[in-house]
Amino acid sequence: EIVMTQSPATLSVSPGERATLSCRASQSVSSNLAWYQQKPGQAPRLLIYGASTRATGIPARFSGSGSGTEFTLTISSLQSEDFAVYYCQQYNNWPSLTFGGGTKVEIK
Amino acid sequence: EVQLVESGGGLVKPGGSLRLSCAASGFTFSSYSMNWVRQAPGKGLEWVSSISSSSSYIYYADSVKGRFTISRDNAKNSLYLQMNSLRAEDTAVYYCARDLNEYSSSWVFDYWGQGTLVTVSS
Repeated sequence: EIVMTQSPATLSVSPGERATLSCRASQSVSSNLAWYQQKPGQAPRLLIYGASTRATGIPARFSGSGSGTEFTLTISSLQSEDFAVYYCQQYNNWPSLTFGGGTKVEIK
Repeated sequence: EVQLVESGGGLVKPGGSLRLSCAASGFTFSSYSMNWVRQAPGKGLEWVSSISSSSSYIYYADSVKGRFTISRDNAKNSLYLQMNSLRAEDTAVYYCARDLNEYSSSWVFDYWGQGTLVTVSS
């Protein structure tokens, strides 16, 4: 099983600042990496797939980068609606899909 | 508008069974692979099972293999998860989720339902 490790567990950021979230895979997943956003009481929402392709309707302030084992989700200027938990998911090793433990982005 | 609505969750005793349903609308259900993903209270996401558009390919996480059965009825635009021999560790919100790609599996989930809570407790 490919283990996905996200850091930090919690990120405190002020509105308007940049947020950088990390996701590390225990072995290479190529670019087969997705990011999801989840707000309390809601279902996850797809943000990024293919490590860097924004999903339909996702604002340009969200960007993804990386390949192999190291990945980054950057939110260029945090808006109030961006405070949430973010999960990475590898799908290189399908059908054994695995998610990271999540990073909570909270208001500083 | 794509909609996925889960139902069938509830409280069940260890060893018991439950059948979850997911009603789909707003897209050509028969063209998409579908999935179940769960989330234990206060925890992260765990993929549970996937089924291809024509039910030809079915996959399960090791944690549920032999106990859960995924199925679909394309005529009814519905996805199901039959859960048997339930354990306390199966307690979670269960989401149905659509695959991003039409006709082939991408293993990325672009639409999710709101989830249904399954609680396994005596």
